Formats: sequence, structure tokens, C-alpha cells
Amino acid sequence: TQLLEQSPQFLSIQEGENLTVYCNSSSVFSSLQWYRQEPGEGPVLLVTVVTGGEVKKLKRLTFQFGDARKDSSLHITAAQPGDTGLYLCAGAAYGGSQGNLIFGKGTKLSVKP
Amino acid sequence: KAGVTQTPRYLIKTRGQQVTLSCSPISGHRSVSWYQQTPGQGLQFLFEYFSETQRNKGNFPGRFSGRQFSNSRSEMNVSTLELGDSALYLCASSKGGTHGTDTQYFGPGTRLTVL
Repeated sequence: TQLLEQSPQFLSIQEGENLTVYCNSSSVFSSLQWYRQEPGEGPVLLVTVVTGGEVKKLKRLTFQFGDARKDSSLHITAAQPGDTGLYLCAGAAYGGSQGNLIFGKGTKLSVKP
Repeated sequence: KAGVTQTPRYLIKTRGQQVTLSCSPISGHRSVSWYQQTPGQGLQFLFEYFSETQRNKGNFPGRFSGRQFSNSRSEMNVSTLELGDSALYLCASSKGGTHGTDTQYFGPGTRLTVL
């Protein structure tokens, strides 16, 4: 059974601080996706990383896919209250469809003004 | 274009009853996946339908079933409801490819409460 361990589970920081969220597995994934979910809504895709070692930037968010395609990280620079939400990583198995994603349990981020 | 829609948004049932949830994918998307989200277990994959056929299935009991229609709309059914079935049920649609860049778009979910 493929599992994705996400850490930390909860994070409460002040506006302007930096943070990193980790997503680790013993399994290899063909791609890894990061989502953000707000209360009462479905997850919204932030980024998909496909190539081992890939780094993608989305404004103040930096995403990295590990060289071995088993882990990923999300780094937020100068966090803002608007970044508050549940961050989820999700992996797609090799040879499978992207419609069968394995999710981490999420990191609940709270950014206080 | 219109996003993924799910109906109803909220549902309250009692133990033993059955329930049907509906999902309308983004126009042109042929794959619909269903997930169960609970505070303890997070998001867990239920099943995926592609072109009216179940393509993948998660590790849930047979009380959970689904189907997809020719217009790609999908329904999931839960029979003999248990308290532990209380959860947010999310539907996601995509074009259905197997490449890593095939993006899934999630609906807002149906919040099911079993009393």
C-alpha cells in the first residue's frame, strides 16, 4: 500500500515568516501534486511536479520534487493571512491514471496578522 | 467554463438508509473520481470512472458503489449507512489521461451526516 506522510500536521505562524511543508513516501510516484483546500470547498490544484529534482515557483510558493520521486516539499516565503488553509500533497502511481490519487493527511496552516 | 458541480451540498440521513450523490464534471472531461474526506483519515480514493467503466477502485466495502452515464455525469451510492460514513464526499473530473499533467478538478463536495 502506497502512503504519503505529510508533516507537520498543524502550523501556526505570524505573517511574514517562512515555512516548509514536507511530503514523504517509500514509494515512487509518476507525479506529485499540491492542493490547497479552504473550509467548505474542494481542493484546488496549486502545482503538479513530474520530473525528479524539478523545482516550480508560484509567486511566494516554491515546490520541489525529490530526485528519487518519493518526496516533495512546499516552501512559502513571507507567509500572509491569505495563505491560511489546508495544504495537501497527492501522488499518482506509475502506470495508473491520474484519477487515482494517494493523498497525504494534510497540513493545516494558520497565518496570523 | 463551468466547474465541477455536486448535488446535494448537504445531506442528513439515519443509520441503515441509503444515499445517492451526484457529480457533473467539467464539459469534455471523461474521468470522474470520488473521494471520501474525514478528519481522521484525510482524503481516501473511492473509485474512478472513465467512459462509463470503473477504471480504478479503492479499498472500501461493497456498500459504496458508483456509475457513470454517457454524458460523463456520475453518481455514487452508499447503502446501509453507518455512523462512520459521515464525511465530505468529493468528486473530481479530468480528461482521463495517464500522463502526470492530466489535472484533476475538484467539486465543492457533499457533506453527509449520518445520525
